[in-house]
Amino acid sequence: QQQVKQSPQSLIVQKGGISIINCAYENTAFDYFPWYQQFPGKGPALLIAIRPDVSEKKEGRFTISFNKSAKQFSLHIMDSQPGDSATYFCAASVSGGYQKVTFGTGTKLQVIP
Amino acid sequence: DAGVTQSPTHLIKTRGQQVTLRCSPKSGHDTVSWYQQALGQGPQFIFQYYEEEERQRGNFPDRFSGHQFPNYSSELNVNALLLGDSALYLCASKPTGANYGYTFGSGTRLTVV
Repeated sequence: QQQVKQSPQSLIVQKGGISIINCAYENTAFDYFPWYQQFPGKGPALLIAIRPDVSEKKEGRFTISFNKSAKQFSLHIMDSQPGDSATYFCAASVSGGYQKVTFGTGTKLQVIP
Repeated sequence: DAGVTQSPTHLIKTRGQQVTLRCSPKSGHDTVSWYQQALGQGPQFIFQYYEEEERQRGNFPDRFSGHQFPNYSSELNVNALLLGDSALYLCASKPTGANYGYTFGSGTRLTVV
């Protein structure tokens, strides 16, 4: 069974702080690692993604760090804002063909003022 | 440009009944996947359709079936509903072969009583 393990399950961060969510995978065939953001009552929305040929990708306040040898990747949210409060899912897939996305269990982030 | 559209948004069914959920993919997308998201969990892959055929299937019983139409829209059918089928059902679409993330709809909240 392909798995993506995610931690922590929940996270409380003060406004302006750094939120860090970690994920680990088992299947070395995975070569595409997206992060999704989900607000209550909505479907997941693609936030940022990385491929294993790079160790870091930054888009605005969101950064993915990737460690291929450890089979781990993480999401850093800099200068966290109350509007970032949502559930975040890491995911992994094998690109090309029919991409089945395997999701982590989710991290509920709450950013307090 | 409309994204992924799902209907209905909410549905209440009785145990043992059958249900059909509908999805219209984003314009230009021809691959559709369905996911089940239980409360507090990450989405679980049900199956994926391309060219009107089921291409991949997750670990779901045969009570779950689907269909894709020539206009790329899709249906998810669940027979003999169980209480455990209560979940948010998400449809996601992408262009075939495109190596980037899926676009998700807002889902159909199914409650089985």
